[in-house]
Amino acid sequence: DAKTTQPTSMDCAEGRAANLPCNHSTISGNEYVYWYRQIHSQGPQYIIHGLKNNETNEMASLIITEDRKSSTLILPHATLRDTAVYYCIVRDTGANSKLTFGKGITLSVRP
Amino acid sequence: EPEVTQTPSHQVTQMGQEVILRCVPISNHLYFYWYRQILGQKVEFLVSFYNNEISEKSEIFDDQFSVERPDGSNFTLKIRSTKLEDSAMYFCASSEWAGVSPLHFGNGTRLTVT
Repeated sequence: DAKTTQPTSMDCAEGRAANLPCNHSTISGNEYVYWYRQIHSQGPQYIIHGLKNNETNEMASLIITEDRKSSTLILPHATLRDTAVYYCIVRDTGANSKLTFGKGITLSVRP
Repeated sequence: EPEVTQTPSHQVTQMGQEVILRCVPISNHLYFYWYRQILGQKVEFLVSFYNNEISEKSEIFDDQFSVERPDGSNFTLKIRSTKLEDSAMYFCASSEWAGVSPLHFGNGTRLTVT
């Protein structure tokens, strides 16, 4: 079962930052937060992951609260191609380290 | 950038037939996965595979399903006797190692069972 809660949908204007929230209040100490996205019916695309420190890469930034109970994915300058379903996933990093997908949040970027 | 490739992109088969879905994971990856997504539903885990054996499988992965790494590059999912409800997108994924290493997904095979 997914251990995260995300809003169903949100939108933002092209060129503006998109801030996608995620709650994971039951996260445990060895679990990481991962973000993936899925455009149309393409395969899920890895975006970023983190444990407790904020992370940034060429796609996005991940801000994790100090208590690790929630996080925010930030797309700094959203484009129309960022319209997708975004999944926040808490992953146990033990041996059986599959990803369990929830319903995600549908981000619509408007012109 | 290396990527996971899947073939075919679309497979149509008749109920009761066997199908084999093929995947070429990223070359230095050691862990392999199959997921499926029925139209309009969540992405669901089927099976994980490491060191030539199944690491974990879901309830969906019953005796009709099997996986194999027949050579050093391919990873296959076989469905022995397809049912209408097997119609879905099937995604292969691989990761460099277990634990933190992220999974990288292919773009899937759309299986249509008629």
